[in-house]
Amino acid sequence: NAGVTQTPKFRVLKTGQSMTLLCAQDMNHEYMYWYRQDPGMGLRLIHYSVGEGTTAKGEVPDGYNVSRLKKQNFLLGLESAAPSQTSVYFCASRDPGRNTEAFFGQGTRLTVV
Amino acid sequence: AQKVTQAQTEISVVEKEDVTLDCVYETRDTTYYLFWYKQPPSGELVFLIRRNSFDEQNEISGRYSWNFQKSTSSFNFTITASQVVDSAVYFCALSEARGTYKYIFGTGTRLKVLA
Repeated sequence: NAGVTQTPKFRVLKTGQSMTLLCAQDMNHEYMYWYRQDPGMGLRLIHYSVGEGTTAKGEVPDGYNVSRLKKQNFLLGLESAAPSQTSVYFCASRDPGRNTEAFFGQGTRLTVV
Repeated sequence: AQKVTQAQTEISVVEKEDVTLDCVYETRDTTYYLFWYKQPPSGELVFLIRRNSFDEQNEISGRYSWNFQKSTSSFNFTITASQVVDSAVYFCALSEARGTYKYIFGTGTRLKVLA
């Protein structure tokens, strides 16, 4: 099993450009999450999904959109990138029906110049 | 509101020293999960331990041990005989056991183990 895979691993954007980060999981998990990690602030929840076709806002949703058209994929979009969105992004999935931890992707380092 | 506090921003120790990383949490839930993750310089998050709120038994895994005390809302992590490979950022996290099951992370503690 691959677990949780994030694409791309690195990206540099110019201010105002758009992009989509892809998260794919092969564990049939219902719940998926997008976090961002910034120095000194830990990981903060951007958006999450509790099932195919559903999404909800987390702690820091502004400037991002998400979609969960397929259970295994959770996409994070930046419509007009800003330097404040320079961060490391982590995707995670979890099966709440089992007493387990969330599984995290390897992270995407995004720089907006 | 739920909150996780890791008051130690950075700790430096000499190899073979013992070190304890502190974690204090806040939640109104009676059922919840606590976690520790390691983030080495390569950047990925490495799962270390999960603890259910009903299980206050301390755990030991090799050089690692965890002390969970509900009375003080703490879940501290001790590394015995530290090694250079332990150098990393360590995150404590709290998770709901219902609803969104989302994680609330502390701000992390950077551990530097000097040879």
